[in-house]
Amino acid sequence: EVQLLESGGGLAQPGGSLRLSCAASGFTFSSSPMSWARQAPGKGLEWVSSVSKNGDNTYYADSVKGRFTVSRDNSKNTVYLQMTSLRAEDTAIYFCAKDRYSSPGDYWGQGTLVTVSS
Amino acid sequence: QTVVTQEPSFSVSPGGTVTLTCGLTSGSVSTTSYATWYQQSPGQAPRSLVYNTDTRSSGVPGRFSGSILGNKAALTITGAQADDESDYYCVLYMGSGIWVFGGGTKVTVL
Repeated sequence: EVQLLESGGGLAQPGGSLRLSCAASGFTFSSSPMSWARQAPGKGLEWVSSVSKNGDNTYYADSVKGRFTVSRDNSKNTVYLQMTSLRAEDTAIYFCAKDRYSSPGDYWGQGTLVTVSS
Repeated sequence: QTVVTQEPSFSVSPGGTVTLTCGLTSGSVSTTSYATWYQQSPGQAPRSLVYNTDTRSSGVPGRFSGSILGNKAALTITGAQADDESDYYCVLYMGSGIWVFGGGTKVTVL
């Protein structure tokens, strides 16, 4: 059974940093691209970032480019999202997702809440 | 900047058929947009329904089908059931590794 467990969310101050982790199990992690998406309270989904199977290729939404960094450790079956220069508008539930080759979000974690507030 | 468009809401009767669409403010959706559809119930993670325009995800009932209608991607629910009442999102591939979600459609079954 595919399981994705996000952690690392919480309260951060504007301008601050957080690192999210997503521990994966139940599939061959090193064979799967992975993504992060987010959902602000009461709002729709927003694709944030994706990383290729070996981590060599990373992609970002314009809204987070230059502030967020996605990475993965295939030896630990874990994908990360380093978030810096956080803004109030980054407040959201952040979901980790296992991707198919040609589409994101084959399976999703339950999400971790990030709140950016002073 | 191109925006992905979805109807804000739809209402369907039990047993009825509803077609949700996913378009672009600039240009047409095609198979190379790799349209993917998700269902999300309140407080839950999204669930993949259809990917690559028209391929159902594992375990998804046959009443859900994807297609291209005109210049948009479409998700059709045939024979709607009460537990189909959810939010539905599409995502489209924009190239260069970039994906963009639509704003979502709230489907009510009544």
